[in-house]
Amino acid sequence: AQSVTQLDSHVSVSEGTPVLLRCNYSSSYSPSLFWYVQHPNKGLQLLLKYTSAATLVKGINGFEAEFKKSETSFHLTKPSAHMSDAAEYFCVVSSGSSNTGKLIFGQGTTLQVKP
Amino acid sequence: SQTIHQWPATLVQPVGSPLSLECTVEGTSNPNLYWYRQAAGRGLQLLFYSVGIGQISSEVPQNLSASRPQDRQFILSSKKLLLSDSGFYLCAFDREGDTIYFGEGSWLTVV
Repeated sequence: AQSVTQLDSHVSVSEGTPVLLRCNYSSSYSPSLFWYVQHPNKGLQLLLKYTSAATLVKGINGFEAEFKKSETSFHLTKPSAHMSDAAEYFCVVSSGSSNTGKLIFGQGTTLQVKP
Repeated sequence: SQTIHQWPATLVQPVGSPLSLECTVEGTSNPNLYWYRQAAGRGLQLLFYSVGIGQISSEVPQNLSASRPQDRQFILSSKKLLLSDSGFYLCAFDREGDTIYFGEGSWLTVV
């Protein structure tokens, strides 16, 4: 069975400082992993995805994540936070059969960016 | 390009009233379609998914149902809403397990 755990429910950083949002996963086979962002009262936007290619994945808005199989982790990072990065972030693992992309979501991490 | 639309964006309904949320996809054919719910302060939970017209799979027992009358149309319904049905509902689609794309979401408040 697949599962995903986001280790921090809330992260607060100052503008211009690095961002680290932590995610650990559990999967019985090679997983597909995603990070989605949700701004207030909006739908979800895909930041990046890992599908067994390069372990360092670059996404939109300067975010990237590194797949570490030995640590079963897929942490999201950004070198310098911007005020517009304040949002809810979800780490997601894909489950189900090969022709459906059923997703299992983490509980989410709220990122606060202070001026 | 592929797009997804869902409506209404917000809805306030009394307990016991019916519900209908509609979702349509454009720019692709035979997508997999999904309904997710996000309760306050929690992550997203998959409610239903469909791999074709008339094919609906339910992930959790609940007061809701889903239907897919056309290839790119997915409807979430209830005959009698409960307070616990309040939440943020998201329709989504993909094709053959590729990246899932989400609609803008529908806020449902049951009062």
